[in-house]
Amino acid sequence: DADVTQTPRNRITKTGKRIMLECSQTKGHDRMYWYRQDPGLGLQLIYYSFDVKDINKGEISDGYSVSRQAQAKFSLSLESAIPNQTALYFCATSDPSGGGYTFGSGTRLTVV
Amino acid sequence: GQNIDQPTEMTATEGAIVQINCTYQTSGFNGLFWYQQHAGEAPTFLSYNVLDGLEEKGRFSSFLSRSKGYSYLLLKELQMKDSASYLCAVLLRSNDYKLSFGAGTTVTVRA
Repeated sequence: DADVTQTPRNRITKTGKRIMLECSQTKGHDRMYWYRQDPGLGLQLIYYSFDVKDINKGEISDGYSVSRQAQAKFSLSLESAIPNQTALYFCATSDPSGGGYTFGSGTRLTVV
Repeated sequence: GQNIDQPTEMTATEGAIVQINCTYQTSGFNGLFWYQQHAGEAPTFLSYNVLDGLEEKGRFSSFLSRSKGYSYLLLKELQMKDSASYLCAVLLRSNDYKLSFGAGTTVTVRA
């Protein structure tokens, strides 16, 4: 089994719909992250969490929300999806030093 | 903010050597990472440098100069499977010990 699991792998949704992307990890790490990746722009941080009671906004949090249900679970929600949220989304965990990220396999989201 | 710059694309021939440069302007530097990412897949860890010098790991080597804000990833004996995007990422104390990523360099290996 993968250390970091994302579901779904692919999703097509309509503008205005609410959608949740889920992430679970077996690394036992406290630190979890959500990134989006667009061609030519690299990885941009949406939200991050350093433990269950700690949630922080990243560079591009507008239009997104997160929930840290347990140490192992970190979900990303789009309350009302719009087409420019079409992207590849990655969840990641890291050890306490902050480096050495382990990424999930990604969710390809298309908003039509 | 952090500036992390790397070339957008590079092309090389199978069996050759390619060097991917990364320059950064940051504060509170705490290490530099290189990741490999094949199209549509997750980034995977390649190397980590925190002290100046060269770290060698098989066909891949990574170099860091903290005083110059400069790193490179060296790929030797290129293989077709090395065609991928290579991401430079900097770990910053000033950024709450989170990684900041460059936009990535797409390397295409030709036969």
